[in-house]
Amino acid sequence: AQKVTQAQTEISVVEKEDVTLDCVYETRDTTYYLFWYKQPPSGELVFLIRRNSFDEQNEISGRYSWNFQKSTSSFNFTITASQVVDSAVYFCALRKAAGNKLTFGGGTRVLVKP
Amino acid sequence: DAGVTQSPTHLIKTRGQHVTLRCSPISGHKSVSWYQQVLGQGPQFIFQYYEKEERGRGNFPDRFSARQFPNYSSELNVNALLLGDSALYLCASSLGGSNEKLFFGSGTQLSVL
Repeated sequence: AQKVTQAQTEISVVEKEDVTLDCVYETRDTTYYLFWYKQPPSGELVFLIRRNSFDEQNEISGRYSWNFQKSTSSFNFTITASQVVDSAVYFCALRKAAGNKLTFGGGTRVLVKP
Repeated sequence: DAGVTQSPTHLIKTRGQHVTLRCSPISGHKSVSWYQQVLGQGPQFIFQYYEKEERGRGNFPDRFSARQFPNYSSELNVNALLLGDSALYLCASSLGGSNEKLFFGSGTQLSVL
């Protein structure tokens, strides 16, 4: 069975601080995909990144960066120089090679104060 | 282009009633998936449909059913509503291939009283 754990339920930071969200996953598959989604108060899940299990390169996109470490089954997400607009719930998710079933973690609520 | 649209946005029902939720995927997307998100938790997979056929089902009772129409829109039906069915129901669409990212709608907030 697949499982995703986001140990941090809520993180509160002051604007311009960096914030790192932890994600640990469990799977027996050798091929899988990892995702991060952002859920603002409107409810819509906004896609941030997809990473396949064979690509362990870290990635940076603007103020966002991701650290994938297969050896520790972790896929952590960092927001650099946080802004108030970053306030949302962030979900890490895991998917098998085929199909559209995403297994989500419990989410981490990020509150950025001005 | 319009994103994934869901209707209604909010719904209030009483225990034992039936509910139908609707989803229109992004134009050109042939796969629709449904997720249930209970307050304070991550979304849970309910169904996936592709080309009008069920391609996956999560761990939900038979009270939950769905279908996909020739225009790729979809309905999620829940019978004999329980208080525990209160949740945000999210629809996601994708082109349909195995290496696709999902685009989510804003959901239908269902309250069962």
